[in-house]
Amino acid sequence: AQRVTQPEKLLSVFKGAPVELKCNYSYSGSPELFWYVQYSRQRLQLLLRHISRESIKGFTADLNKGETSFHLKKPFAQEEDSAMYYCPSPESYNKLIFGAGTRLAVHP
Amino acid sequence: DTAVSQTPKYLVTQMGNDKSIKCEQNLGHDTMYWYKQDSKKFLKIMFSYNNKELIINETVPNRFSPKSPDKAHLNLHINSLELGDSAVYFCASSPGQGFEVLYEQYFGPGTRLTVT
Repeated sequence: AQRVTQPEKLLSVFKGAPVELKCNYSYSGSPELFWYVQYSRQRLQLLLRHISRESIKGFTADLNKGETSFHLKKPFAQEEDSAMYYCPSPESYNKLIFGAGTRLAVHP
Repeated sequence: DTAVSQTPKYLVTQMGNDKSIKCEQNLGHDTMYWYKQDSKKFLKIMFSYNNKELIINETVPNRFSPKSPDKAHLNLHINSLELGDSAVYFCASSPGQGFEVLYEQYFGPGTRLTVT
């Protein structure tokens, strides 16, 4: 089974600083990896999927097979990026494990 | 149009009461879920239904009973509410089962339940 972990519970940066939210996976095949975001008191929404290789709100995430990682990056953090970020993993074909996520706090 | 809606948005009630949360999706999805998010933002799946059939039932007290009258609705009834039930409950839906659609989950706005 694919296992994904987010080692940081909180990431605190200043506005304009680079951001890297960590997501590490352990899987021998081709992993399915995504990032979800939850802004304060709002619903979770899909942010990025690795197969699309897109950039959303300035965020990118590259699958690094050598380091088995799918870190979420943004070169210059904005205050509105403050949110909870989840990198979920599939426990089975019908169950996603979201876990504790990482809180990003961007200070002015 | 709201894709996944939940009612109520806020629910404050006393211990021992019975309450229900309703969820509706207009996306034509086959699969619906209930998640619980605690005060530390830990998000955990509780139940999943596919075409009105229960397919996931996590280790949840049997005071929690989901009901799916049709594939567009998934309600959550909670009996004998306890302080520890205070959390935000999210409903979600996805096109179906399978890895290719599992990640396409659309979440509702959440119901903030406070048990006093």
